[in-house]
Amino acid sequence: EVQLLESGGGLVQPGGSLRLSCAASGFTFSSYAMNWVRQAPGKGLEWVSTISVSGVNTYYADSVKGRFTISRDNSKNTIYLQMNSLRAEDTAVYYCAKCGAAYGVRAAGDFWGQGTLVTVSS
Amino acid sequence: DIVMTQSPDSLAVSLGERATINCKSSQSLLESSNNNNYLAWYQQKPGQPPKLLIKWASNRDSGVPDRFSGSASGTDFTLTISHLQAEDVAVYYCQQYYSNPPFTFGQGTKLEIK
Repeated sequence: EVQLLESGGGLVQPGGSLRLSCAASGFTFSSYAMNWVRQAPGKGLEWVSTISVSGVNTYYADSVKGRFTISRDNSKNTIYLQMNSLRAEDTAVYYCAKCGAAYGVRAAGDFWGQGTLVTVSS
Repeated sequence: DIVMTQSPDSLAVSLGERATINCKSSQSLLESSNNNNYLAWYQQKPGQPPKLLIKWASNRDSGVPDRFSGSASGTDFTLTISHLQAEDVAVYYCQQYYSNPPFTFGQGTKLEIK
């Protein structure tokens, strides 16, 4: 059974940093690209970032480019999202999602974690 | 970036009736080499993560009831729920994954029971 478990969310002041983790199990982690998607309170889904199977290729939404860094550790079956210079508008539930096709990034997210809430407020 | 526009924003349908949700992309999502449209539909119920319903515009994901179907015509995409059931109340999103990221979502359509 595929499982994705996010952690690391919490309350942080504007300008602060936070690192999210997503631990994966139930599939061959090193064969799938992974995504972060967020959802502000009462709002729709916003794609944030994608990382390729090797971690060499990373992609970011313009809204987070230069502030967020996605990475992965295939030995730990885990992806990370390092979030710096956080703003109030980064407040959201952050979901990790597995790409639905092996090796490529161009696929729907077929499994999603339960999400972790990040609140940026003073 | 590709813009995805859903309509309507909200929809109320009677139990047992058909619900139709539309999604329009700002450019083609069709890859000519494999004849696939790079579009997905998700269902999100309150307090839950999104769930993949349809991939490649018309392929139901594993375990999705056959009352859910997807279709494509050019840059217009449709999610149809036939014989609406109470458990189908949710927000539905389309997402394109045609080009390299960003993989943009539509704004969502809230489906309720009339």
